[in-house]
Amino acid sequence: DAKTTQPNSMESNEEEPVHLPCNHSTISGTDYIHWYRQLPSQGPEYVIHGLTSNVNNRMASLAIAEDRKSSTLILHRATLRDAAVYYCILLSINMLTFGGGTRLMVKP
Amino acid sequence: GAVVSQHPSWVICKSGTSVKIECRSLDFQATTMFWYRQFPKQSLMLMATSNEGSKATYEQGVEKDKFLINHASLTLSTLTVTSAHPEDSSFYICSAIRAGSYNSPLHFGNGTRLTVT
Repeated sequence: DAKTTQPNSMESNEEEPVHLPCNHSTISGTDYIHWYRQLPSQGPEYVIHGLTSNVNNRMASLAIAEDRKSSTLILHRATLRDAAVYYCILLSINMLTFGGGTRLMVKP
Repeated sequence: GAVVSQHPSWVICKSGTSVKIECRSLDFQATTMFWYRQFPKQSLMLMATSNEGSKATYEQGVEKDKFLINHASLTLSTLTVTSAHPEDSSFYICSAIRAGSYNSPLHFGNGTRLTVT
């Protein structure tokens, strides 16, 4: 089964870009790559998703490797409100797989 | 935007009793809903995948007779923790995906904090 691997934690300074990596070397052709973030005692919040091409939205950018075995979530200017646990999730029909997430800490 | 409502947001129950948690998609139909459990300071853990009108698929190590899942309609899935014990105390979360649309976001509920005394 596909599974994602992320660093346990990362640190960033406020106002600087953050690149959160995710490895998914066993990804299948039908898996969409999703990113969510979770604040304490809340359900996760959608950030971005894609299949093959890089994606941009108002929250972040998603860079997907050409072989799709890895992806990077890019926060262009980290703010204190971006401090959360970020999950990289693979989603296809009736199946969902993910790993342990990355705890992002943002320093003022 | 699409909303998933989870109820109750918190519950305290006595050991040996059963607790039902509801997950509703408010403005869309959800063929598939997912249930998760999260212990303090730990990652989300997928418990089961629930498909409307069929039996849930449980992850390895999750007791299907203890965590009963019912997905009787396209807008409602329920998780019942039967004969709850203190070790079942956890944060339970559901998510739903719009029917027939895997190229769309998962929508998560806000979670249910269960405390078993």
